[in-house]
Amino acid sequence: GEDVEQSLFLSVREGDSSVINCTYTDSSSTYLYWYKQEPGAGLQLLTYIFSNMDMKQDQRLTVLLNKKDKHLSLRIADTQTGDSAIYFCAESWGQNFVFGPGTRLSVLP
Amino acid sequence: IAGITQAPTSQILAAGRRMTLRCTQDMRHNAMYWYRQDLGLGLRLIHYSNTAGTTGKGEVPDGYSVSRANTDDFPLTLASAVPSQTSVYFCASSPGQGESPLHFGNGTRLTVT
Repeated sequence: GEDVEQSLFLSVREGDSSVINCTYTDSSSTYLYWYKQEPGAGLQLLTYIFSNMDMKQDQRLTVLLNKKDKHLSLRIADTQTGDSAIYFCAESWGQNFVFGPGTRLSVLP
Repeated sequence: IAGITQAPTSQILAAGRRMTLRCTQDMRHNAMYWYRQDLGLGLRLIHYSNTAGTTGKGEVPDGYSVSRANTDDFPLTLASAVPSQTSVYFCASSPGQGESPLHFGNGTRLTVT
């Protein structure tokens, strides 16, 4: 079946870059997403990439997609304390969505 | 502000009781979803509805039921709550036309004792 995997924890120093990685199994995925969840809140869409793209940049966020290896990454430049949250990778095809377990990003002062 | 409203925000419920979690969206989205979030397991789909009047089962539907009488509302009912249904429940919606991301509510934290 479909599966999305992520490491569960990541710690970085304020001002450094964060890279959150994700692997997925379904090669028919058409979109891949990154969501952010802050404590006590729902999931907020950060960015998404179409499967025929290699890279997408949006301000401090860079998404890289290696479709051959089914690997997706999210790079956050100049990480701030407000970036501390859980980040979910998700894949979709049609109206089917599969989420990873989430990576908890801790930003240290 | 357009979005998804879930109620209640949190609830403590005795085992065996019936409970309905409410979800309302004002974006006129066709598709709506219910997920539960558990530590280490990520989000798991309970039920979904592609359009008003239709519903479908997700990955973990047992013990839950839904209805979709109109576009805006998608309530989730636990007929007889059990402790394993302790979780955070998220309602989500999407336009449902081609590929489109999910929009999430802020969740309902349910504890079944």
